[in-house]
Amino acid sequence: GAGVSQSPSNKVTEKGKDVELRCDPISGHTALYWYRQSLGQGLEFLIYFQGNSAPDKSGLPSDRFSAERTGGSVSTLTIQRTQQEDSAVYLCASRLDRAAGNTIYFGEGSWLTVV
Amino acid sequence: RKEVEQDPGPFNVPEGATVAFNCTYSNSASQSFFWYRQDCRKEPKLLMSVYSSGNEDGRFTAQLNRASQYISLLIRDSKLSDSATYLCVVNRDNFNKFYFGSGTKLNVKP
Repeated sequence: GAGVSQSPSNKVTEKGKDVELRCDPISGHTALYWYRQSLGQGLEFLIYFQGNSAPDKSGLPSDRFSAERTGGSVSTLTIQRTQQEDSAVYLCASRLDRAAGNTIYFGEGSWLTVV
Repeated sequence: RKEVEQDPGPFNVPEGATVAFNCTYSNSASQSFFWYRQDCRKEPKLLMSVYSSGNEDGRFTAQLNRASQYISLLIRDSKLSDSATYLCVVNRDNFNKFYFGSGTKLNVKP
């Protein structure tokens, strides 16, 4: 597609439920990132995928968070047993490759509200 | 210490004003630098890359000072549509990781 596509755009869920957020990167982009941003705050790195390499999970805040990327394209971020502090916008970004100067392009985000 | 630090603002300026933002980064191994713009409740969008020699794109000028580890963005002839939050971004770790500042908010008023 022309840009990074994320779904759902908005999700309201009850505390304790699991949620899945999907990201479809720009066609041909080898790298995929997940960030989250709470209201009025900066971007928090969650996880990074590059090609077939093992993902960098160093930003995942707890073991309730996991992500996978199947076939080197679409990625799913899963949050288990959601808590109210998980409420945020989850932003996916993709990047062509690791070459210097190549930057990342964001999707419109998935707005998650845990009630 | 944060990887990237910015003055949160807000900077309130009249239309037509010139405004400058600075950003400092903590790791001298940082390799690439960018400014992003984020509108309220929208995703960040690339504004411009920052090159060692400095670069200009219309009303926007970016500078990099590696010795002092800071990046600047100058906006000339501010427009109402420039109102947004400006994010300073640095890239390192073999170009894998991107570190975002918390952003500087700009309000351009009529």
